[in-house]
Amino acid sequence: QKEVEQNSGPLSVPEGAIASLNCTYSDRGSQSFFWYRQYSGKSPELIMFIYSNGDKEDGRFTAQLNKASQYVSLLIRDSQPSDSATYLCAVRSSNYQLIWGAGTKLIIKP
Amino acid sequence: DGGITQSPKYLFRKEGQNVTLSCEQNLNHDAMYWYRQDPGQGLRLIYYSQIVNDFQKGDIAEGYSVSREKKESFPLTVTSAQKNPTAFYLCASRYRDNQPQHFGDGTRLSIL
Repeated sequence: QKEVEQNSGPLSVPEGAIASLNCTYSDRGSQSFFWYRQYSGKSPELIMFIYSNGDKEDGRFTAQLNKASQYVSLLIRDSQPSDSATYLCAVRSSNYQLIWGAGTKLIIKP
Repeated sequence: DGGITQSPKYLFRKEGQNVTLSCEQNLNHDAMYWYRQDPGQGLRLIYYSQIVNDFQKGDIAEGYSVSREKKESFPLTVTSAQKNPTAFYLCASRYRDNQPQHFGDGTRLSIL
């Protein structure tokens, strides 16, 4: 059974600090990795995605892949209260199924 | 504006009733998906469709049915066989196999 695991949190981070969210996956052949943000009562929105060939930076967000240890990270620099949400990780496994983590709740404290 | 439209936003089901949730997209996406999300939980896949007139069961298909007669539309019927239908239902679509899924705003279904 292919799995994606996230710490459910809540992860509490002071405003202006770096928030670091992790997601581990079991399928070594996974090729694509997606991060979504979900505000309470709303639908998930895509933040960024990376392929197995490299990391990506987009504004305050950076996604990093560690293939050897089979985890993907999302770093949020200069955290803002508006970043408080649940962050969902999704991984496309080697059989093209998209496997979802249960999400990490992030709280940014002013 | 291109996007994914789900309707209605809120839906109430009576005992023994079938209800249909609408999902329409004008993004020219090939694949469409239905997920269920229970409070404090992750997403669980109900059904998905990669092309018109074809669809596959996801992890929790029992008590649900779908159709894909047009590329733009993927309605979900919650049948009376689904004994615990109260949840947040999310429709998603994606363009190509390695591209991300994008979501509609969701439908919240409750039992009367």
